Amino acid sequence: RKEVEQDPGPFNVPEGATVAFNCTYSNSASQSFFWYRQDCRKEPKLLMSVYSSGNEDGRFTAQLNRASQYISLLIRDSKLSDSATYLCVVNGGLGNTPLVFGKGTRLSVIA
Amino acid sequence: GAVVSQHPSRVICKSGTSVKIECRSLDFQATTMFWYRQFPKKSLMLMATSNEGSKATYEQGVEKDKFLINHASLTLSTLTVTSAHPEDSSFYICSAKRGYKETQYFGPGTRLLVL
Repeated sequence: RKEVEQDPGPFNVPEGATVAFNCTYSNSASQSFFWYRQDCRKEPKLLMSVYSSGNEDGRFTAQLNRASQYISLLIRDSKLSDSATYLCVVNGGLGNTPLVFGKGTRLSVIA
Repeated sequence: GAVVSQHPSRVICKSGTSVKIECRSLDFQATTMFWYRQFPKKSLMLMATSNEGSKATYEQGVEKDKFLINHASLTLSTLTVTSAHPEDSSFYICSAKRGYKETQYFGPGTRLLVL
């Protein structure tokens, strides 16, 4: 089983649509969870951290279910500029452990 | 957010030469830096973890003698691809973080093309 698994995509949605990405992780010792965004031929950039209580940042809402080892990202009112690859990322556990990346889900928002 | 730079942003070299890539944390001291590689349409793969003043920890399958990592200061880590071959052509990205709970911040990446 892969450490971090995501919907493969691609997701092609019209502007204004709501889209949800799912992610599962295998390491129950993981302590930190993130969604990163990566544009074509660019480095990943932090979109938001994910907290157990769920958190929202504008049009973006992230949820974490530790029992199910499941993470989600909801994007409301999609914009053309949201087109990118969204990476689900978890750390390896306590201490100075590296991040583990999912393969990413490609989103294309169409006018 | 924190700023991480990489240099060069792009390099083309002949097979057999060595290439050095620098990663700098510009506005914070990075206790740990990570080196990743990403092939086209593939996910980021961690190559090694670099702690200042100590030897890097390499991931399985990454040759430490081929990919030399030096983390001489809290703001600089270098990756040297020795005797580069065409199959080493990839997008190399570093990241840095301040403490073990801190978010990782990525450099802009270096595109390496080995002819």
